[in-house]
Amino acid sequence: QVQLVESGGGVVQPGRSLRLSCAASGFTFRSYGMFWVRQAPGKGLEWVAVIWYDGSNKYYADSVKGRFTISRDNSNNTLYLQMNSLRTEDTAVYYCAKLVEADYADYWGQGTLVTVSS
Amino acid sequence: EIVMTQSPATLSVSPGERATLSCRASQSVSSNLAWYQQKPGQAPRLLIYGASTRATGIPARFSGSGSGTDFTLTISSLQSEDFALYYCQQYNDWPPEYTFGQGTKLEIK
Repeated sequence: QVQLVESGGGVVQPGRSLRLSCAASGFTFRSYGMFWVRQAPGKGLEWVAVIWYDGSNKYYADSVKGRFTISRDNSNNTLYLQMNSLRTEDTAVYYCAKLVEADYADYWGQGTLVTVSS
Repeated sequence: EIVMTQSPATLSVSPGERATLSCRASQSVSSNLAWYQQKPGQAPRLLIYGASTRATGIPARFSGSGSGTDFTLTISSLQSEDFALYYCQQYNDWPPEYTFGQGTKLEIK
């Protein structure tokens, strides 16, 4: 069965960095695009970044462009989100998800909480 | 950027009744629309893709319709487990921007 397990969240001060990981299993990871979506406390879903199955294309929401970097290691079935210059408004639960045809997400992880606070 | 607007923000319906949720796009997204269900403390769950195709394992009481800018998610006979938050998401934009609606909370009347 498909499993996506996020890790790396925690409390961090504004301006600092954090790297999230998403360990994938139960499917051929290297064949699927992946994205990160976040959800601020009590708020809706916000797409963050997407990466193509082979890492050849990456796209970002304007709110994180230039600060966050999505990457993947297909040999280790792991997706990453490097988050730099963190702001208080980046506080959210971050979900990784498996995409179908780089369109919609058919499986989601349980999320990891990132809190940016001084 | 395509903006997705869901209505109503909150919908109160009795168990066994029909619920109709709406999602409108600021420009045409063809049929490139998905619906997700989210319960408190849980990750979203895919319900519908391609505007009207049920995802694997989704009960037949869930149905999606629409194309272009106006979409509807209908739950024909509400069960207790259906009371949750529902989000629409478009995937028509290029370069890709997977915009979500702000959500509709379906609550027990």
